[in-house]
Amino acid sequence: AQSVSQHNHHVILSEAASLELGCNYSYGGTVNLFWYVQYPGQHLQLLLKYFSGDPLVKGIKGFEAEFIKSKFSFNLRKPSVQWSDTAEYFCAVNVNSSASKIIFGSGTRLSIRP
Amino acid sequence: DSGVTQTPKHLITATGQRVTLRCSPRSGDLSVYWYQQSLDQGLQFLIQYYNGEERAKGNILERFSAQQFPDLHSELNLSSLELGDSALYFCASSVGQGATGELFFGEGSRLTVL
Repeated sequence: AQSVSQHNHHVILSEAASLELGCNYSYGGTVNLFWYVQYPGQHLQLLLKYFSGDPLVKGIKGFEAEFIKSKFSFNLRKPSVQWSDTAEYFCAVNVNSSASKIIFGSGTRLSIRP
Repeated sequence: DSGVTQTPKHLITATGQRVTLRCSPRSGDLSVYWYQQSLDQGLQFLIQYYNGEERAKGNILERFSAQQFPDLHSELNLSSLELGDSALYFCASSVGQGATGELFFGEGSRLTVL
C-alpha cells in the first residue's frame, strides 16, 4: 500500500534559520506530490505541488520543495524561517492510478522561536 | 476561509452512541473527502464522494458510513462509538475527482468519546 513518511514529528528553530522537512513516499509509479500547511487554529491549505517537469517547485511564502525520484523524496525547504511559519506541515501523495485517494503523512510540527 | 463548512465544531458523547458530522463543500465543488486525524496518526483518508457517488474508500471502519446528498453536502455517520474514535474529523472538497490534489479543507469536527 502507498504510504507517506514524515520522520520529523516536531522541529524547533530560531528565526532566520534554514528549514528542511523530510518527506518520503512508497510507490514505484508516477505520483503527484503536495505539501499542505495548517497554521494554528486554521484549516489545512495547499503550500505547493508537483505534477511533472522541473523537480524544484516554488510555493507560497518563500517555500520550495525538491522532488528526487531516485530517493522517493519530496523535502520542503525555506532558506530563512519567520515566526509566522509556526504551523503543522503535511506531505501528501496522489497516485495517478487512484486519482481520488490522496494519502497524507503524519505531519511535522514546526515551532519558531522569536 | 476555505469555503468548506463543517458542523458541529465540537462534540462530546459516550461510548456506544452514534453521531453525524456534516460537511458543506465549496460552492461548485463536486467531490467531498473525509479524513480522520488522531493524536498518534496523521490524516487518515476515510472516503470520497463525487457528485453523489462513492469514488474511493480508505481506512473506514464498518461502524462508519457516509453519503453525499443531491445538494452535494455530505454526512459522516459514526456508530457504536469507542474511545479510540476520539479524533478530529476533516472534510475537504475539490472541483473534480481529486487528480490535481488541491483540496480545500474545513476546520474540522472534534469528536470526544467518553
